[in-house]
Amino acid sequence: EIVLTQSPGTLSLSPGERATLSCRASQSVSSSYSAWYQQKPGQAPRLLIYGASSRATGIPDRFSGSGSGTDFTLTISRLEPEDFAVYYCQQYGSSPPYTFGQGTKLEIK
Amino acid sequence: EVQLVESGGGLVQPGGSLRLSCAASGFTFSSYWMHWVRQAPGKGLVWVSRIDSDGSSTSYADSVKGRFTISRDNAKNTLYLQMNSLRAEDTAVYYCARDLRLRAFDYWGQGTLVTVSS
Repeated sequence: EIVLTQSPGTLSLSPGERATLSCRASQSVSSSYSAWYQQKPGQAPRLLIYGASSRATGIPDRFSGSGSGTDFTLTISRLEPEDFAVYYCQQYGSSPPYTFGQGTKLEIK
Repeated sequence: EVQLVESGGGLVQPGGSLRLSCAASGFTFSSYWMHWVRQAPGKGLVWVSRIDSDGSSTSYADSVKGRFTISRDNAKNTLYLQMNSLRAEDTAVYYCARDLRLRAFDYWGQGTLVTVSS
């Protein structure tokens, strides 16, 4: 089973700043099979990025994804108030389980 | 508009059973793989199970294998999760999610809470 470790656990930033969230896999993951989700309190997760760098439908271009192998990054170029939430990375390999990272909480500083 | 609506959650005693349903609309349900994902209170996301588009292939997390069964009725546009021998550690919000071409989960339901307690 591939284990995903996200860092930092909590990130405190102000609106307008740039956020960089990391996800490290315990073994190599095809970039085609990495994804990022946003979850706000009391809501279902929302897909942001798939295939390491492709934005999902309706996702603003301030969200971008990059990476390959064991290291993946989600960048939010300029934080808006609605971006403060918990973010999860996921690997969707050729076989299950399709694991998630433990999450990064992005909070307002 | 794609919609996924879960139902069937509730309070059940340890060792009991529940069947969750996920009603799908706004897309051709029979063309998509589907998944169940759960989230214990205050915790992260955990993948539970998946089923292919015609129901012929299924997979499970080790933690639920042998106790949970995923199925679907494409005529009714509905996904199911039969949960037997429930344990306290199965307490969670259960989400159904649509598979995005074997890459990610692109649409999620609002979730249904399952509480296993005596």
